[in-house]
Amino acid sequence: GNSVTQMEGPVTLSEEAFLTINCTYTATGYPSLFWYVQYPGEGLQLLLKATKADDKGSNKGFEATYRKETTSFHLEKGSVQVSDSAVYFCALSEFSGAGNMLTFGGGTRLMVKP
Amino acid sequence: DAGITQSPRYKITETGRQVTLMCHQTWSHSYMFWYRQDLGHGLRLIYYSAAADITDKGEVPDGYVVSRSKTENFPLTLESATRSQTSVYFCASSESFDGGYTFGSGTRLTVV
Repeated sequence: GNSVTQMEGPVTLSEEAFLTINCTYTATGYPSLFWYVQYPGEGLQLLLKATKADDKGSNKGFEATYRKETTSFHLEKGSVQVSDSAVYFCALSEFSGAGNMLTFGGGTRLMVKP
Repeated sequence: DAGITQSPRYKITETGRQVTLMCHQTWSHSYMFWYRQDLGHGLRLIYYSAAADITDKGEVPDGYVVSRSKTENFPLTLESATRSQTSVYFCASSESFDGGYTFGSGTRLTVV
């Protein structure tokens, strides 16, 4: 079956540091890949997505590239801010007879200190 | 306003009571989902629906019932609440498999 593995957190960084959150996946076909962000007390929000190999998703300074050869979709940001403190979820979506299903990783908590 | 709305935002109930969590979306998305989020377990799918009157079990369906008589509503009922059902519940909707999900703000349920 499908699965998503993320690095365990928390990840603690100082403001303006470089961020990488690793994500690898296992899928039977050709999934779409997503990063979601959850701020405290809120629901998950779609941060970025990529639907095919070598696509790069980007939003709010965050980027992730769909690497089929390494089955990875690592999240990066060049300079984090305190406001980026949140939990980040990697996910994949693959259409099946039951419809579209998202498989989530366990989430990685990011804490950015001033 | 357009979006996906969950109610109530917070709920405290007693063991054995029936409780219904509401979810309403304004986009007419085909797919709707219920997840629970617990520390150490991440997000777990309870039930999902591909269209009105079509529902199916997810990973952790026991103790829950859903219905979808209208496309825009997808209520989740706990038939006889137990303490293990204390959790944060999220509803989500989606139009296509590569479009991702839109999540509601969640319902924090405490069973005492």
